[in-house]
This record gives sequence, C-alpha cells and structure tokens, in this order.
Amino acid sequence: AQSVTQLGSHVSVSEGALVLLRCNYSSSVPPYLFWYVQYPNQGLQLLLKYTSAATLVKGINGFEAEFKKSETSFHLTKPSAHMSDAAEYFCAVSDRNQFYFGTGTSLTVIP
Amino acid sequence: DVKVTQSSRYLVKRTGEKVFLECVQDMDHENMFWYRQDPGLGLRLIYFSYDVKMKEKGDIPEGYSVSREKKERFSLILESASTNQTSMYLCASSPQGAPNTEAFFGQGTRLTVV
Repeated sequence: AQSVTQLGSHVSVSEGALVLLRCNYSSSVPPYLFWYVQYPNQGLQLLLKYTSAATLVKGINGFEAEFKKSETSFHLTKPSAHMSDAAEYFCAVSDRNQFYFGTGTSLTVIP
Repeated sequence: DVKVTQSSRYLVKRTGEKVFLECVQDMDHENMFWYRQDPGLGLRLIYFSYDVKMKEKGDIPEGYSVSREKKERFSLILESASTNQTSMYLCASSPQGAPNTEAFFGQGTRLTVV
C-alpha cells in the first residue's frame, strides 16, 4: 500500500515568515499527490494536487508544492504566512481508488 | 458547486445507542468513504464503497457497519455506541477511474458518546 509521512506534527511560524510543511511519500508507481487543509471543526478542503503536468504546483491561498521524485517528497510552501493560514494540513496519496493520508501538521501563526 | 453533505455537525449519544451517520453526495461519484479522525492519528479509513450495495472494510471497521442502498448516499452505523467511538467522522466521495482526482469531503460530524 502507498503511504505518506509528514514530518512535524506541529509547526509554528511568525506572521509574514516562510511556511514549509514536509511530506514524503512511498510509491512504486507515479504517485498522485494532494495537499488538504482543515480549519477547526470543518471538513478537508483541497489546497493543490500533483498531476504530473508540472513539478511545481500552485494552489489556493498562495500555497505551492514541489514534486521531487529523487527525494520522494512533495513539500508545501507559502512565502509569507498569514494569520488565516492557521489550520491542520494533510498530505495524501491516491492509488487504485484509495486515498492514504499523513497524520497531519498543525500550523500555528504567531502575530 | 460540488457537495458532500453530512446530516449532522454535532451529535451526542449515550453508550449502547445505535447511531446513524448519513452522508449524501451530488456528484454522481462511484466511490464513497468513511473516515475517523483523532488527534495525532490523522484520518483512518473505516469503510469504503465503490458501488451501490458494495462495501469494503478499511483499517478500523470493528464496531461499525455501513449501508449503501443508493449511489448518492452512504451511511455509517454504530451498532452499540461506546465512549471510545467519540471522534470526528468524515465522509468523502470520488469518481472511479480518475486517479488524479481528489476526494471531496463533507463538513464532518463530531460525535460524543457519553
């Protein structure tokens, strides 16, 4: 089965600072990768997805992720954190109609 | 706008009660999923269904059952609720045969069993 690993269950950044959330995947075939965001007491909302068209993927709210096959990584970044970015972030991989999620990273933005 | 709707945002039930969590999607998706979310554990798959009346066990099916009588509706049943089933429950759907298509999630149901 596929799997993803998110390094760091909690990340804190200052407002305006770079956001970097890490995700590594295991896959024996070209992966289909996703980043989701979850605000308190809400469902998951898609931020972006890797579709093999480009290694740098742009998503909503200024987030982007870079697919690096050599490192089996799909890290999420945002150049400048905003207070509204405080949320839980999940990396996921899909394979044969199944989705495999990481354990999530809680992002805190310090004013 | 595509939608997955869960019938309740918050539920409080007593130990031993039979609990029904309902999920409806309007996207004509074949696949539907029930996940349980707990702090530090991420999303864990309880059951999924890839067609009407079809179901497959996920990673943590014990204490749960599901029903899919219509394509758009997928129900999660707690036969006899217990306090360790207090959790956030998330329903999702996705189309079959489209591997680079994301899962669409409902708003979640926060269940408390007392």
